[in-house]
Amino acid sequence: NAGVTQTPKFQVLKTGQSMTLQCAQDMNHEYMSWYRQDPGMGLRLIHYSVGAGITDQGEVPNGYNVSRSTTEDFPLRLLSAAPSQTSVYFCASSSGGIPSYNEQFFGPGTRLTVL
Amino acid sequence: EDQVTQSPEALRLQEGESSSLNCSYTVSGLRGLFWYRQDPGKGPEFLFTLYSAGEEKEKERLKATLTKKESFLHITAPKPEDSATYLCAVIQGGSEKLVFGKGTKLTVNP
Repeated sequence: NAGVTQTPKFQVLKTGQSMTLQCAQDMNHEYMSWYRQDPGMGLRLIHYSVGAGITDQGEVPNGYNVSRSTTEDFPLRLLSAAPSQTSVYFCASSSGGIPSYNEQFFGPGTRLTVL
Repeated sequence: EDQVTQSPEALRLQEGESSSLNCSYTVSGLRGLFWYRQDPGKGPEFLFTLYSAGEEKEKERLKATLTKKESFLHITAPKPEDSATYLCAVIQGGSEKLVFGKGTKLTVNP
């Protein structure tokens, strides 16, 4: 098992550009989520999904879109990048659809810089 | 007001010097409290889940405990390889969203 994979590892964007951060897991996990991690702020939940076709907002969803067409993939889209979206982004997944009772596995992260 | 507060922000220990990290929370109806370890440049790695006051879990030199208002991560006789940032997170009743604290950066000197 590759676990949770994220691409790209690093990305530099200009303000206003759009891009998609990719996340995939090969563990057949129902629950997937996206976090951003900023210095002094800790990890903050952006969006999450409890299964294919079902997504919901987290703590900081503005400026980000998600969709979940398959169990394996959970891409995060930035429609019009802003400098405030400079951060490290982590994708995570857990089995059973309920992170309360199941270990969450995190990907290695994508470091995004918006100029 | 932060729902999850970790202290101290940073802790330096000598190898073999035991200590504890604190995670206090204010959420109601706690569904679960989680501890993670994060190494520089990597994603968090799951350590423990605690569900009810009085519960304890151990893994090698780490022991996590839970009360109604806080959790402690006790590190016994730490080694340099225990150096990392330790993150605490909670899920409150009626939610499936993890809320993380800001972490404690632990450095263990040889």
